Amino acid sequence: GAVVSQHPSWVICKSGTSVKIECRSLDFQATTMFWYRQFPKQSLMLMATSNEGSKATYEQGVEKDKFLINHASLTLSTLTVTSAHPEDSSFYICSARETGGGNNEQFFGPGTRLTVL
Amino acid sequence: GENVEQHPSTLSVQEGDSAVIKCTYSDSASNYFPWYKQELGKRPQLIIDIRSNVGEKKDQRIAVTLNKTAKHFSLHITETQPEDSAVYFCAARGKTGNTPLVFGKGTRLSVIA
Repeated sequence: GAVVSQHPSWVICKSGTSVKIECRSLDFQATTMFWYRQFPKQSLMLMATSNEGSKATYEQGVEKDKFLINHASLTLSTLTVTSAHPEDSSFYICSARETGGGNNEQFFGPGTRLTVL
Repeated sequence: GENVEQHPSTLSVQEGDSAVIKCTYSDSASNYFPWYKQELGKRPQLIIDIRSNVGEKKDQRIAVTLNKTAKHFSLHITETQPEDSAVYFCAARGKTGNTPLVFGKGTRLSVIA
């Protein structure tokens, strides 16, 4: 199946700093990528839909100025958590579908565990 | 938007018994229903999926059924094994390519040897 990578796999940062997470589709092109957040023992909650070459669409309650998304190419989307605080500590997972692919499957990255001290 | 409800939140079964997890969805336009298994700290792994034009799909010990009229779908695992222990999520999605998956809250399955 198609492969989605994320970098870094984990990061620890101080409160008030910014953290960038990269999501790459390694062997397919993805016009659309999705960013999810998962707190311990909870489900995956959609944060935003990232569209190549245009602005991301954010879910209700997700601050677009705090979670900056850039989808500059068909294989790369980045999520920047600005001025991170301890409550932003979570497991961030990106996902992508192949552009124009007939398969419905949505491929997930391995996730990035963010810990804000 | 889509809303997916999942039950039960926890499920314990004896090894060799069957496990059933049920989900309901709200958006009648949804047409794709995958099930994921997630182990601690790892990404969700697709274990089976079904489209709205199919009522049932089976893959070895795993099966999924879909009732479009009632807007519910279920995961069935037969002959459970300890390695089936994990958190299982159902999800639903609409037709268009940029529609995201919406997940249920998950079911923690424990298979007791």
